[in-house]
Amino acid sequence: DTAVSQTPKYLVTQMGNDKSIKCEQNLGHDTMYWYKQDSKKFLKIMFSYNNKELIINETVPNRFSPKSPDKAHLNLHINSLELGDSAVYFCASTAIGTGADTQYFGPGTRLTVL
Amino acid sequence: AQKITQTQPGMFVQEKEAVTLDCTYDTSDPSYGLFWYKQPSSGEMIFLIYQGSYDQQNATEGRYSLNFQKARKSANLVISASQLGDSAMYFCAMREGISGYSTLTFGKGTMLLVSP
Repeated sequence: DTAVSQTPKYLVTQMGNDKSIKCEQNLGHDTMYWYKQDSKKFLKIMFSYNNKELIINETVPNRFSPKSPDKAHLNLHINSLELGDSAVYFCASTAIGTGADTQYFGPGTRLTVL
Repeated sequence: AQKITQTQPGMFVQEKEAVTLDCTYDTSDPSYGLFWYKQPSSGEMIFLIYQGSYDQQNATEGRYSLNFQKARKSANLVISASQLGDSAMYFCAMREGISGYSTLTFGKGTMLLVSP
C-alpha cells in the first residue's frame, strides 16, 4: 500500500514547456508539502498546504503553482520551464497535532529540463 | 547561519560495526523536533527516527538511536551493527515550533558507505 505517491517518477522536457507533477496520499493527513532537492542533494521547502489552503510559500517563482483539489492531493504545475528547474521534487504529508508530526515523503519526481 | 549542520560529507564503516553520524542544530525556539531520514540510491526519503526537544530520553528505533545532547545542540544518529543495506545518504532535519505548519529544514547530508 503506497502511502504518498507521485507521478510521474521521471519527467524530461524542453525549456519553455509547461508540466505538472501529481501527488496523492492515502494516510488521511491534512497537511502536504513540496520540497525541491537540487543536484547537490540539498532539500528545501517550496510550499505547504493544510486542508487545501496554502500555508507557506518559500519565495518560489510564480511559475510554480501548487493546486490542492482536496486534502489528499497536492499537484505542482510549472510554467515556462527553465534549465535551473532540473531537480528532484518530493511531495510529503503529515498529520498536524499528532506529536512528532513526522513528514512522510513520496518517491520523488526527477525533472530534467533540456 | 546554517540551522542544521552535518560536518561529515562521507563516512565509511565495516559491516557489523556501529557508526555515528553527526548533526548540530541552531534554534532559539524552545520547542522543536529533530528528525533523521535515509535516502538510498533509489532516491526515496525514508523516515528513521524523531526526537522532541522536551523528550527526556534519547529516541531509539531498532538499530537506530539518537544521541540527543540539548546543551550542545547536537542530535547524532547512531546506527548499531551496520548492514550493507545501510549504505545511503542520511539527512538530519529540524522542525521549529511546537507543531502545526512548520516545515523541515534539512542539513546537507552524510553519505554512509558500509563495506563487507
